[in-house]
Amino acid sequence: EVQLVESGGGLVQPGGSLRLSCAASGFSFPIYWMNWLRQAPGKGLEWVANINPDGSEKSYVDSVKGRFTISRDNAKNSLYLQMNSLRAEDTAVYYCSQSTASWGQGALVTVSS
Amino acid sequence: DVVMTQSPLSLPVTLGQPASISCRSSQSLVYSDGNTRLNWFQQRPGQSPRRLIYDVSKRDSGVPDRFSGSGSGTDFTLKISRVEAEDVGVYFCMQYRYWPHTFGQGTKLEIK
Repeated sequence: EVQLVESGGGLVQPGGSLRLSCAASGFSFPIYWMNWLRQAPGKGLEWVANINPDGSEKSYVDSVKGRFTISRDNAKNSLYLQMNSLRAEDTAVYYCSQSTASWGQGALVTVSS
Repeated sequence: DVVMTQSPLSLPVTLGQPASISCRSSQSLVYSDGNTRLNWFQQRPGQSPRRLIYDVSKRDSGVPDRFSGSGSGTDFTLKISRVEAEDVGVYFCMQYRYWPHTFGQGTKLEIK
């Protein structure tokens, strides 16, 4: 069974940083594109970033370019999202997803002073 | 960005009755390999999204056959043949033909 478990969420001040992790199991992690998506409270879904299987290709939505970095460690079956210069509008539940077929339970990131 | 427009945004349905959700994209979602890159998701209250349908009409494993997807080009539909209580939630369409991948606003299905 595919399992994706996010961690690292929390409360951070505007301008601060946070690193999300996603531990994957139940599938062959190194061969899949992986994604980070988010959902602001009471709002719809937004794609944040994705990364190809070997980590050589990364794409970001414009609103996070230059501030967020997606990465992966295939030896550890783990996906990461480094978030810098956080803004109030980054407040959301962040989901890790395997090719959109499977999603984690989400990690809440709250950016507030 | 490709805009995905869903209708209706609110869908009250009587148990056992059919339901239909429309999704329209601002550009064609047909890829060079001939596949059309359109998925449907269900998000039950308090849960993560769950993919129901991929590539317009292919049902994911474990999805009841009362769910079906259809459409082509820029116009797509998700149908539920007979709504059950467990179908309450928000339904989203999503395109992954263009970056950034984009979602519809969501359709909230409730029991009348």
